Amino acid sequence: AQKITQTQPGMFVQEKEAVTLDCTYDTSDPSYGLFWYKQPSSGEMIFLIYQGSYDQQNATEGRYSLNFQKARKSANLVISASQLGDSAMYFCAMRELQNYGGSQGNLIFGKGTKLSVKP
Amino acid sequence: SQTIHQWPATLVQPVGSPLSLECTVEGTSNPNLYWYRQAAGRGLQLLFYSVGIGQISSEVPQNLSASRPQDRQFILSSKKLLLSDSGFYLCAWSPFRSGGYEQYFGPGTRLTVT
Repeated sequence: AQKITQTQPGMFVQEKEAVTLDCTYDTSDPSYGLFWYKQPSSGEMIFLIYQGSYDQQNATEGRYSLNFQKARKSANLVISASQLGDSAMYFCAMRELQNYGGSQGNLIFGKGTKLSVKP
Repeated sequence: SQTIHQWPATLVQPVGSPLSLECTVEGTSNPNLYWYRQAAGRGLQLLFYSVGIGQISSEVPQNLSASRPQDRQFILSSKKLLLSDSGFYLCAWSPFRSGGYEQYFGPGTRLTVT
């Protein structure tokens, strides 16, 4: 079964508007971390935001916020006031902190969502 | 501050040729190091990770290998490339501590096997 599901292969948003990128996850580990990365056309993976499973508040980093709904196993990324430079692939990832399975808690990535910002 | 380097940036190699991709990290000690591969239009797949010099763990069976000859150097190799080895290879590091801390990625190497 997929551990990270991003159901939106592609999204369009008008410049200056907000956009929500969906991410659901599946884990039996009570302790985990959730991450969002941005990958522009250059290929580099840029870390955006992190949410711990025990964090009481939703994470925010500038224009990025993470809408964490633990009961629904949902970790959607909200980008406010979209900019043309936000056009990129966005990946949701999870790191299980107790059930490493021998992988030292490696990141498990979703398939990504391609965001296109229209001028 | 910490930086991570990868080279080469792009590589075109014929089937059956050897491969060596290098990754180095600056500004930190004893990092966890990772090699990922990203096939076109897809997410990342973890290939190898290392928690220390000479300590390599493989996530998927393949004709690739990894080595860590120095604390901040991680090398991805192959003796004979296959067409299916084409992809975008990303090296990443994370601090050597427990917890849900992020991984920082290098700029990547785009490999085309012809």
